[in-house]
Amino acid sequence: NAGVTQTPKFQVLKTGQSMTLQCAQDMNHEYMSWYRQDPGMGLRLIHYSVGAGITDQGEVPNGYNVSRSTTEDFPLRLLSAAPSQTSVYFCASRAGVPPGANVLTFGAGSRLTVL
Amino acid sequence: GQSLEQPSEVTAVEGAIVQINCTYQTSGFYGLSWYQQHDGGAPTFLSYNALDGLEETGRFSSFLSRSDSYGYLLLQELQMKDSASYFCAVRPGGGAGFQKLVFGTGTRLLVSP
Repeated sequence: NAGVTQTPKFQVLKTGQSMTLQCAQDMNHEYMSWYRQDPGMGLRLIHYSVGAGITDQGEVPNGYNVSRSTTEDFPLRLLSAAPSQTSVYFCASRAGVPPGANVLTFGAGSRLTVL
Repeated sequence: GQSLEQPSEVTAVEGAIVQINCTYQTSGFYGLSWYQQHDGGAPTFLSYNALDGLEETGRFSSFLSRSDSYGYLLLQELQMKDSASYFCAVRPGGGAGFQKLVFGTGTRLLVSP
């Protein structure tokens, strides 16, 4: 099993550009989420989804859009990138019921730099 | 809202035992988790406590006291490969909060020879 796959691993954008971070999981997990990680800030939840067609906001949703058209995929869109969005982004998924519901599986991360 | 507090850094020597504490304040509570993250890597799950007491998994143990809003991760027989950041995380209660996992800012563990 591949687990959670994120692409790209690295990306450099100019202010105002748009892009999509891709996330796919092959574990048939109902729940998927996006976090960003900044030095000294831990992991902060951006958006999450509890199933296809259902998304909701986390702690820091501004500037990001998501959609969940399939169980497997949960892309994160930056519509107009800003330097404040320079960060490492992690996609994570988990099962919908215990015990798997208590274990988040993370992708390898996408390092984004906005100039 | 919710907040979690853990020390920013802990140092220890190989073979020693180290305890990383986590105190939390949440509007509800469904459990305390611990994750390990090596530099440049992704967080990986270590343990989960829903009820008070100690959970043991090999060299790692995790403890929870819900009445004290406190937990800790205990690492025994430290090895150099245990040098990493450790995050506690809680699932707040109440409606949509149940679906979220809120992380602390992490404790960097440095193991020296």
